[in-house]
Amino acid sequence: AQSVTQLGSHVSVSEGALVLLRCNYSSSVPPYLFWYVQYPNQGLQLLLKYTSAATLVKGINGFEAEFKKSETSFHLTKPSAHMSDAAEYFCAVGGFLVLNTGNQFYFGTGTSLTVIP
Amino acid sequence: NAGVTQTPKFQVLKTGQSMTLQCAQDMNHEYMSWYRQDPGMGLRLIHYSVGAGITDQGEVPNGYNVSRSTTEDFPLRLLSAAPSQTSVYFCASNRGQSYNSPLHFGNGTRLTVT
Repeated sequence: AQSVTQLGSHVSVSEGALVLLRCNYSSSVPPYLFWYVQYPNQGLQLLLKYTSAATLVKGINGFEAEFKKSETSFHLTKPSAHMSDAAEYFCAVGGFLVLNTGNQFYFGTGTSLTVIP
Repeated sequence: NAGVTQTPKFQVLKTGQSMTLQCAQDMNHEYMSWYRQDPGMGLRLIHYSVGAGITDQGEVPNGYNVSRSTTEDFPLRLLSAAPSQTSVYFCASNRGQSYNSPLHFGNGTRLTVT
């Protein structure tokens, strides 16, 4: 079975500090990994996706994530936090094509990021 | 390009009432799905569809019905609302039979059942 674990349901960083949001996955097959961001009262927006082309993936708003197969991790980072980064972040595993079920996704429980001025 | 559109944005129901949450996408995506989001539980899949006329159950289907008569629309029906269905509901779509196609989400419907 596939699953996603996000360590830390709440993370606080100072403005300008490094952002590190952790995601570990379990998968019996090479996965496709995604990070989504959710701003208050909005839907989820795609930040970035890993699709095996490169282990370091750059996304929008200065975020990037590194796929480490040996650690089954896909942590999200940003060198310098901005106030506008305050949001909920979700890691997801997808790409499991099962007959007639389309592209199944499995989501972590989310990490709420607070940026302290 | 509107993407995924959900209506209404907010709804309050009394226990036992019925309602339909609307979802439409204009990206010609084969795959559409409904999730509910509850604090500390992430997103849980309710129902999904791989194309017009084809639907199936997800992780938490009880109390919900769906249909897919067109590629564009995927409504979610609550036949007899219960307080346990108080949640935020998201509709999502993607190209389905494509390994790296990300989900595109609507802005959600916040439902309260009293």
